[in-house]
Amino acid sequence: LAKTTQPISMDSYEGQEVNITCSHNNIATNDYITWYQQFPSQGPRFIIQGYKTKVTNEVASLFIPADRKSSTLSLPRVSLSDTAVYYCLVPPSNAGNMLTFGGGTRLMVKP
Amino acid sequence: NAGVTQTPKFQVLKTGQSMTLQCAQDMNHNSMYWYRQDPGMGLRLIYYSASEGTTDKGEVPNGYNVSRLNKREFSLRLESAAPSQTSVYFCASSELSATYNEQFFGPGTRLTVL
Repeated sequence: LAKTTQPISMDSYEGQEVNITCSHNNIATNDYITWYQQFPSQGPRFIIQGYKTKVTNEVASLFIPADRKSSTLSLPRVSLSDTAVYYCLVPPSNAGNMLTFGGGTRLMVKP
Repeated sequence: NAGVTQTPKFQVLKTGQSMTLQCAQDMNHNSMYWYRQDPGMGLRLIYYSASEGTTDKGEVPNGYNVSRLNKREFSLRLESAAPSQTSVYFCASSELSATYNEQFFGPGTRLTVL
């Protein structure tokens, strides 16, 4: 099971780009990297998933270096509504859909 | 589509009381999950059901039981509630896949045990 480490909290201002880095040194060959977002009083919501290099969707980009020991979630031009907790997860590829949530990164976007 | 629904939204119990949390999904997913989230913490898996007819323990199963009633519904039962079970409970569902890990979460049930 790949253990993940990410900052406990981050502050940003509206309009800035936010990058949250997650380390997962013991990621296995077939593991994917998955990020979820959780707003206060709501359940988590899937944001993005990737295996290597770069993945982009309408919400975020995910950058994964060649060694895959870390990944960076990039949120372009954040707004106040992006204030949330962001979780980096590496579900074991041989355990179906088991997710293990750590403490996540609490992002506060200020005006 | 309602997605994942949970009832009740809020509940207050006294120590020793029992209750069942209900969860239903309308996405025809095979797998369903129950998590708990304590204040300021990440989610912890209580039980999951990979497919209809199967259930397995997660990280923190003690004090809970589950029933996969059919493909749509997955309930969580507290037989004798304890203050340590005060938490927010989330149900989730997903397709069963080795690589596609998106789970869809319900709005949560906020449980207080006095």
